[in-house]
Amino acid sequence: DGGITQSPKYLFRKEGQNVTLSCEQNLNHDAMYWYRQDPGQGLRLIYYSQIVNDFQKGDIAEGYSVSREKKESFPLTVTSAQKNPTAFYLCASQEGGAGQPQHFGDGTRLSIL
Amino acid sequence: DQQVKQNSPSLSVQEGRISILNCDYTNSMFDYFLWYKKYPAEGPTFLISISSIKDKNEDGRFTVFLNKSAKHLSLHIVPSQPGDSAVYFCAASGSGTYKYIFGTGTRLKVLA
Repeated sequence: DGGITQSPKYLFRKEGQNVTLSCEQNLNHDAMYWYRQDPGQGLRLIYYSQIVNDFQKGDIAEGYSVSREKKESFPLTVTSAQKNPTAFYLCASQEGGAGQPQHFGDGTRLSIL
Repeated sequence: DQQVKQNSPSLSVQEGRISILNCDYTNSMFDYFLWYKKYPAEGPTFLISISSIKDKNEDGRFTVFLNKSAKHLSLHIVPSQPGDSAVYFCAASGSGTYKYIFGTGTRLKVLA
C-alpha cells in the first residue's frame, strides 16, 4: 500500500537536545511538507520541498531544519533553538500540480521532559 | 492575519440529519479549496475539493459549496453518521503555489 510513514509516533526531548522526526513516502510525489498542530489551532507550515535538494521555509521555520536528499524522505530536525517544541507534527506529500490534495502521515507527538 | 477561518469550533448534530460546516477566506487569489477530516492522533484524510470555476462538488454524502463573491465555502454531510464525528479542516491554495493555508478546524459530533 502506498502511503506516508512517520516515526516515531511519540518522542520525548530533553531541554537543549536536537531531535529528528522521520517522514518517508512511497507515493512517488515530488512535493513534501511539514506542519505543526497545536491545540485549538490549524496546521501551520514549517518547511516544504517541491523537489529533491530544494526546500523553502514556511510560516514558522525558526528553530527547525530539514533536508531533502531523496525523493522519498523529508526528515525534520527540531533544534534546541525551538523554544516551544511540544506539539503534534504532521508530514504530507503532494502530487505535482496546483489544487492536488496533500496526503498526510499519522503524525509524531513531541513532548519535552 | 488568518486568511482561512472556521468560526465555529464545534458542532453537534443528530444522526441522520444534515451537518453544515463553514469556512471563510479573505484572499481572492485562492483558486482551490479542500476539506479534510481528522481523528485524534491521526493525520488528516482528504474528503473533497472544489476549484474556483465551480460552485458545487458532490461525492456521495459530501457536498461542498463555494460562494466566491462572499468568499465562503461550506461542507454538507447528509445523512450524518456517528462515524463522521471528527475535526474538519478547510484549506485553500492559489494557482501556481504548492502551499495550502488551513483553517483552525471544526469539531463535529454526531449524536446517535
